[in-house]
Amino acid sequence: DAKTTQPTSMDCAEGRAANLPCNHSTISGNEYVYWYRQIHSQGPQYIIHGLKNNETNEMASLIITEDRKSSTLILPHATLRDTAVYYCIVRGVSNYQLIWGAGTKLIIKP
Amino acid sequence: NAGVTQTPKFQVLKTGQSMTLQCAQDMNHEYMSWYRQDPGMGLRLIHYSVGAGITDQGEVPNGYNVSRSTTEDFPLRLLSAAPSQTSVYFCASGRTGTGEQYFGPGTRLTVT
Repeated sequence: DAKTTQPTSMDCAEGRAANLPCNHSTISGNEYVYWYRQIHSQGPQYIIHGLKNNETNEMASLIITEDRKSSTLILPHATLRDTAVYYCIVRGVSNYQLIWGAGTKLIIKP
Repeated sequence: NAGVTQTPKFQVLKTGQSMTLQCAQDMNHEYMSWYRQDPGMGLRLIHYSVGAGITDQGEVPNGYNVSRSTTEDFPLRLLSAAPSQTSVYFCASGRTGTGEQYFGPGTRLTVT
């Protein structure tokens, strides 16, 4: 599976949109982009995933560039409860494993 | 639905002791897995299963055994605990063929 690169940490003001970038320049055509988050000491929580089209659900939006080499997770109105480590993961269709990096620590400030 | 449950929440072992971490899910998911997470790190896959009677190794399987006799349960056995196994252990489940996984609350294990 392709490797991902994320910033180590980011800040965002409460109520603003949080935009978390992820680079996956070696992604191949059948690999999906997944986003999870882990709130302090809890089990990770699935957020969203996509292949090449932009996706939106009740938690977030996922924007994937046309060349699929990078993506952005958008939390439209960040709250203090969104403070967490966010993981961007690339996974092939036939691969059961999720390879986890260190993620981005997002801190929402009041 | 209880989702994914793990017991115990905390455990302290002495070097050389053995124990079993329990994991159960009530979502009828075929796929289950065990991860460990060391401080400041991402998760690493220990073992996984794609259905009852089927298990396979992940990235860091040494020192751990698993079995899957039912769809619901996927216990992780530490054969002879070592300080290097001090970690937080997470169990997860999901439908086969997707990367959408549901995680338990974790077991915090300390080996002295």
